[in-house]
Amino acid sequence: DVKVTQSSRYLVKRTGEKVFLECVQDMDHENMFWYRQDPGLGLRLIYFSYDVKMKEKGDIPEGYSVSREKKERFSLILESASTNQTSMYLCASSLNPPGVYEQYFGPGTRLTVT
Amino acid sequence: KNEVEQSPQNLTAQEGEFITINCSYSVGISALHWLQQHPGGGIVSLFMLSSGKKKHGRLIATINIQEKHSSLHITASHPRDSAVYICAVRTFGGGGADGLTFGKGTHLIIQP
Repeated sequence: DVKVTQSSRYLVKRTGEKVFLECVQDMDHENMFWYRQDPGLGLRLIYFSYDVKMKEKGDIPEGYSVSREKKERFSLILESASTNQTSMYLCASSLNPPGVYEQYFGPGTRLTVT
Repeated sequence: KNEVEQSPQNLTAQEGEFITINCSYSVGISALHWLQQHPGGGIVSLFMLSSGKKKHGRLIATINIQEKHSSLHITASHPRDSAVYICAVRTFGGGGADGLTFGKGTHLIIQP
């Protein structure tokens, strides 16, 4: 079974803090994704990585950065957390090409920025 | 960019009812995904299809490429089917950096 794990299920941070969200997958998938999910807006792609050290911006990259130093690990970084980044964050992974193969999702991290 | 519309947005039904959730999209696609998200957040992939029909247990997914429409059916619905059902499409040439465009989801509640 493919397993995608995320470092925290719930996280509370203060405005201005630097926040790290970690995602690890154990199936040697090339592609990894970070989404945020907000009521009424659905899933929106923040960043996508198709290989180690490779990344592409998604639909809403502003205020975020990512790091992929190892194939199994994809980190999302909030450089200076703001209240409008309060959301559910979901990580996913898939084989190549993206969208053709099933995406496997992590359990999500519910981040609250106060 | 492909526009993905799901209907209904919310659906409440009684246990045992036959459920249909619809998904329509605006541009030709190479694949369509149906996903299920239970309360608590975890998302699982139910189906991926590019033509015809697929069945898994009480779930059936169909797609009509010409009409740019897909349906997800649940037979003999049960309270454990209560979840958000999400449609996502992969557009030819990509629908974004990851190739998938997501609908906003259908929130299904099955009452005992």
